Amino acid sequence: GAVVSQHPSWVICKSGTSVKIECRSLDFQATTMFWYRQFPKQSLMLMATSNEGSKATYEQGVEKDKFLINHASLTLSTLTVTSAHPEDSSFYICSAVQGALGNIQYFGAGTRLSVL
Amino acid sequence: AQKVTQVQTEISVVEKEDVTLDCVYETRDTTYYLFWYKQPPSGELVFLIRRNSFDEQNEISGRYSWNFQKSTSSFNFTITASQVVDSAVYFCAYSASKIIFGSGTRLSIRP
Repeated sequence: GAVVSQHPSWVICKSGTSVKIECRSLDFQATTMFWYRQFPKQSLMLMATSNEGSKATYEQGVEKDKFLINHASLTLSTLTVTSAHPEDSSFYICSAVQGALGNIQYFGAGTRLSVL
Repeated sequence: AQKVTQVQTEISVVEKEDVTLDCVYETRDTTYYLFWYKQPPSGELVFLIRRNSFDEQNEISGRYSWNFQKSTSSFNFTITASQVVDSAVYFCAYSASKIIFGSGTRLSIRP
């Protein structure tokens, strides 16, 4: 299957700093990438849908100024958690799709963010 | 609105037992896709299967099999002769305009 690389896998930062998470599709061009947040023992919560060259579409309740998404190329999307606070601590997962939504989503390994 | 329900929050069985994970969905769409993903303790979601709404054929892949029944809006997943390595959280998902994940079933296989 296709490979999606997510980096870093784990980050610890101080409150008030910004953290950037990268999501790359390694062997295919991803027309669409998704960012999810997962709390312990819970399901994935879609945060935003990212299309190359256009603004991300955020889900209701997700602060776009807090979670900045940039999809600069067909193989790279970034999520920046700005001015992180302890409540932003979570597991963030990206996925990439080639083509229409019914196509398979390939997931990155996730990033565990801990804000002190 | 679309909805995916996985009623089994946790399942624990002894190795070599068969186990079925249930998934029920709600939709008014005529065209949609259904998925199963596995999330091992490492965290990365692994794709297992995709089915479109026009293909009700059951699928078997090794010890894994899937039963899709539109009449009952169900897409159940069975593991035959379970192994410890099957221990993970399994998510059923639906997509038409956007993907919706069920709440997941935590499967523990005891040696």
